Amino acid sequence: DAMVIQNPRYQVTQFGKPVTLSCSQTLNHNVMYWYQQKSSQAPKLLFHYYDKDFNNEADTPDNFQSRRPNTSFCFLDIRSPGLGDAAMYLCATSDPAGGRNEQFFGPGTRLTVL
Amino acid sequence: SQQGEEDPQALSIQEGENATMNCSYKTSINNLQWYRQNSGRGLVHLILIRSNEREKHSGRLRVTLDTSKKSSSLLITASRAADTASYFCATDGQNSGYALNFGKGTSLLVTP
Repeated sequence: DAMVIQNPRYQVTQFGKPVTLSCSQTLNHNVMYWYQQKSSQAPKLLFHYYDKDFNNEADTPDNFQSRRPNTSFCFLDIRSPGLGDAAMYLCATSDPAGGRNEQFFGPGTRLTVL
Repeated sequence: SQQGEEDPQALSIQEGENATMNCSYKTSINNLQWYRQNSGRGLVHLILIRSNEREKHSGRLRVTLDTSKKSSSLLITASRAADTASYFCATDGQNSGYALNFGKGTSLLVTP
């Protein structure tokens, strides 16, 4: 089945220790997104790629970086995690052709910062 | 930025009853979508309604859109315990590119 896969599902890191979350897709979608979602809140878009074209949201901290080496993979790097970065991180993909832009989400990675 | 606002924030009903959730937004949109999120999981797309549509159905789901009031509603008929989840509306528009603006969500609890 075509899908969006996130690894790991649960990640524990220490304050200030860099961490990388990964996302892969078998949908061959042009666009990949990273969202941060804190408890009982809406997902907050951090950035997205259209192919290799990177689009950063204005309020995304510099602490968050992303890489997309190919169509299938996208990584979220948190350079120096703080306690406030503990959250669920959601990866999503879409194919905006036809103007519909439904997004397909992975199961998320829950990040704990100690 | 988030522009959708759902109400109610939380809704508790019994199995078999209908659940109605509302969403309001602020700027012009191309499409409005509804997503469901089970606890601790990713979001699942439910239904998309274009700005030139007024109503759409999918199984037990009915979505309406009133662009003059900048509002949408999601109706789940004959609810089941498995419908327990958070429901989010999301909009995209001329100025948002491919990004979606998610509302804060409605938490639905369906009790047997």
